[in-house]
Amino acid sequence: DGGITQSPKYLFRKEGQNVTLSCEQNLNHDAMYWYRQDPGQGLRLIYYSQIVNDFQKGDIAEGYSVSREKKESFPLTVTSAQKNPTAFYLCASSIGGTSYTFGSGTRLTVV
Amino acid sequence: GNSVTQMEGPVTLSEEAFLTINCTYTATGYPSLFWYVQYPGEGLQLLLKATKADDKGSNKGFEATYRKETTSFHLEKGSVQVSDSAVYFCALSDPTNDYKLSFGAGTTVTVRA
Repeated sequence: DGGITQSPKYLFRKEGQNVTLSCEQNLNHDAMYWYRQDPGQGLRLIYYSQIVNDFQKGDIAEGYSVSREKKESFPLTVTSAQKNPTAFYLCASSIGGTSYTFGSGTRLTVV
Repeated sequence: GNSVTQMEGPVTLSEEAFLTINCTYTATGYPSLFWYVQYPGEGLQLLLKATKADDKGSNKGFEATYRKETTSFHLEKGSVQVSDSAVYFCALSDPTNDYKLSFGAGTTVTVRA
């Protein structure tokens, strides 16, 4: 079955460390997105990509970086510049602007 | 810019009660509208959607109608069950904004037996 796979499900980061969250899709969707969810809040857009080798900043891109070398993959790196990275991270893909699929999320905690 | 405003929670109901969650939006273009549901520790699942004015999305007993004149997309269910306990998000995608999904803050719904 087609879908989006996010890994790992849980991730722990030490202060000053960069970590990378994986997002892979086999839906043949062109667009992919990364969202951050904090407790009791909605989802905020970090980065998005509409085609391979191209991506744009969302509303809260500072302290994050992405790459889109393959259509299927859109990894997110949380850098040491992100001062408050503890959150739930969701990856999504879409086609045509009316059909979106979400992964099951990665919960990142700073230790 | 685009924004979504939905009813603040939490909402607590008894089983078989009627549920309404209000959602209004502002958009630059002609958006598609969505309701997503999130169960604890999980990602978002599409509940229903509507892509043009007066369309009614429906699924699992939930309904919402795209009202362009009032810029609203209120979610309703006539008889809730304990299994409907979750967080519900209203969202829009706008073709004039790269089809990025904009979300409301979410409404936590708890249904008691």
